[in-house]
Amino acid sequence: EAQVTQNPRYLITVTGKKLTVTCSQNMNHEYMSWYRQDPGLGLRQIYYSMNVEVTDKGDVPEGYKVSRKEKRNFPLILESPSPNQTSLYFCASRSDVLGNQPQHFGDGTRLSIL
Amino acid sequence: SQKIEQNSEALNIQEGKTATLTCNYTNYSPAYLQWYRQDPGRGPVFLLLIRENEKEKRKERLKVTFDTTLKQSLFHITASQPADSATYLCALLYNNNDMRFGAGTRLTVKP
Repeated sequence: EAQVTQNPRYLITVTGKKLTVTCSQNMNHEYMSWYRQDPGLGLRQIYYSMNVEVTDKGDVPEGYKVSRKEKRNFPLILESPSPNQTSLYFCASRSDVLGNQPQHFGDGTRLSIL
Repeated sequence: SQKIEQNSEALNIQEGKTATLTCNYTNYSPAYLQWYRQDPGRGPVFLLLIRENEKEKRKERLKVTFDTTLKQSLFHITASQPADSATYLCALLYNNNDMRFGAGTRLTVKP
């Protein structure tokens, strides 16, 4: 089954404790991205990647890092999480880099930073 | 900066009626406009894509229009059913990889 898998689904942690949210897709997609979703603000793009070793900032990259060492994986790293990063996070992938194909989303990771 | 507005946070309609959701944007037109459905606790699921040179797209009970003069897209669900209750997001793709989402409209279809 074609899917985007995120882990963990839920995490409560404390300020300053480094964490990684993993994302994996099994569709051999070139393009992957991370979003955060906050009430009233919609989905905002954090980082995206057009291929292995190619990443770029989205709208709200501050406080986040990503890497794309393999095509299928695109982890999101919070080196020193802060309470304003409490949010619902989604990873997505699509087959083309031009944008005329749909994005496939994971089921989200709810992060709470105390 | 680009701004995307979906007509309302919530829309309630009676089963069997047509639901119409609006997505308005400012500044320049996107190359593509997409609509997604999101259920509670789940990620968005793609429904339809329309290109800037297309006026209308249909898929079963769904119809999307795209008016670059009005800077607006309309999303219609005909013969709505309670199972159509969800949040619907519009997404605009600019410059190949700048993708912006609206905040969504929560649709409730009452039996």
